[in-house]
Amino acid sequence: AQKVTQAQTEISVVEKEDVTLDCVYETRDTTYYLFWYKQPPSGELVFLIRRNSFDEQNEISGRYSWNFQKSTSSFNFTITASQVVDSAVYFCALSEFMNYGGSQGNLIFGKGTKLSVKP
Amino acid sequence: KAGVTQTPRYLIKTRGQQVTLSCSPISGHRSVSWYQQTPGQGLQFLFEYFSETQRNKGNFPGRFSGRQFSNSRSEMNVSTLELGDSALYLCASSLNREDAFFGQGTRLTVV
Repeated sequence: AQKVTQAQTEISVVEKEDVTLDCVYETRDTTYYLFWYKQPPSGELVFLIRRNSFDEQNEISGRYSWNFQKSTSSFNFTITASQVVDSAVYFCALSEFMNYGGSQGNLIFGKGTKLSVKP
Repeated sequence: KAGVTQTPRYLIKTRGQQVTLSCSPISGHRSVSWYQQTPGQGLQFLFEYFSETQRNKGNFPGRFSGRQFSNSRSEMNVSTLELGDSALYLCASSLNREDAFFGQGTRLTVV
């Protein structure tokens, strides 16, 4: 069965601290996609990144970086020098690849990690 | 480029009523998926439409249904509303069924 686990329910940091959000996934497929989304209080899920299972290169985008390790089935997200605007709930998600063209279109989400960045 | 638009943003309905939610995807996107978000269950997949065909369905009762029109706009319908249907309903659109961009959601309250 497919599953995404975000063990950290809530994290609280002080501005400018670095913070890592953990994500562990389970899937039997060899081809899949992993995502991170940010959900501010307004409710919209903001897309942050998508990785496919064949691309294990770590990625950096500004203060954000992602560490994908297939050996441990993890896709962790680090925010460097956190800011108050980073306060939100962050979701990790998994999507499996279907033979009939592209992904399944069915995202399996973790329970989310609520990040609070205090000034 | 306009994002995913969901209407209405807020709804209050009474138990037993039915409700229709609308989602307009990003222009050119043919895949639309629906998700229910509740504090207890988190984000759960409802169904996905691709070129007017339901491609995939989550584990929800038959009271939950949907459809997609030729212009890719999608609607979801919930009949015989129950208190437990109170949730944030999110719609996601995708060009190639790899990325998924979400709207702001419709917050449904059943009283």
